[in-house]
Amino acid sequence: DTGVSQDPRHKITKRGQNVTFRCDPISEHNRLYWYRQTLGQGPEFLTYFQNEAQLEKSRLLSDRFSAERPKGSFSTLEIQRTEQGDSAMYLCASSDGTGGLNEKLFFGSGTQLSVL
Amino acid sequence: DAKTTQPTSMDCAEGRAANLPCNHSTISGNEYVYWYRQIHSQGPQYIIHGLKNNETNEMASLIITEDRKSSTLILPHATLRDTAVYYCIVRVAYNNNDMRFGAGTRLTVKP
Repeated sequence: DTGVSQDPRHKITKRGQNVTFRCDPISEHNRLYWYRQTLGQGPEFLTYFQNEAQLEKSRLLSDRFSAERPKGSFSTLEIQRTEQGDSAMYLCASSDGTGGLNEKLFFGSGTQLSVL
Repeated sequence: DAKTTQPTSMDCAEGRAANLPCNHSTISGNEYVYWYRQIHSQGPQYIIHGLKNNETNEMASLIITEDRKSSTLILPHATLRDTAVYYCIVRVAYNNNDMRFGAGTRLTVKP
């Protein structure tokens, strides 16, 4: 168990540019979640996958945000035409998706995005 | 999901018990109470969860009142490494995609 890995840890971009973040979940975890966290606030749910299927995406903040998990392993979150309001920490989490009482989310350390 | 109310911040002396309260007066019968914490520059970490009975694990104890309208997370012997933001969340089991974090309680453990 090497934990949830996110890359990069920090990203600085100019307004209007596209950015992509990667998340590698704990191996064999079939659920993968993306959250956003702004300063002083708790994480805010964006979307999640069960294997390669994106089962919830209504909380993505706008149509500039999209996520993929093509082979049911790693996932990418893309933000197109970034705006200064997109500056935040983007967190990925995974779980074994048993749906049982003991289901826990394991979070990565996040990608800190700064849009200039 | 029911809404939770937590104090913004708390202090605790190293080695003493830290008792973090959470109010969830609108909790439904099928909603669990979960606690996560977030140490600076890291992602949240699961601590404990429960439905109506008190729970204990290697990290903490969770005390839920009989009416389930509030709960307390207890760190029995707080260390400096327990300094973090602690989130109390109530949610229906099997519904991780609707787990709503509030602003949490910032616990500072002091030497």
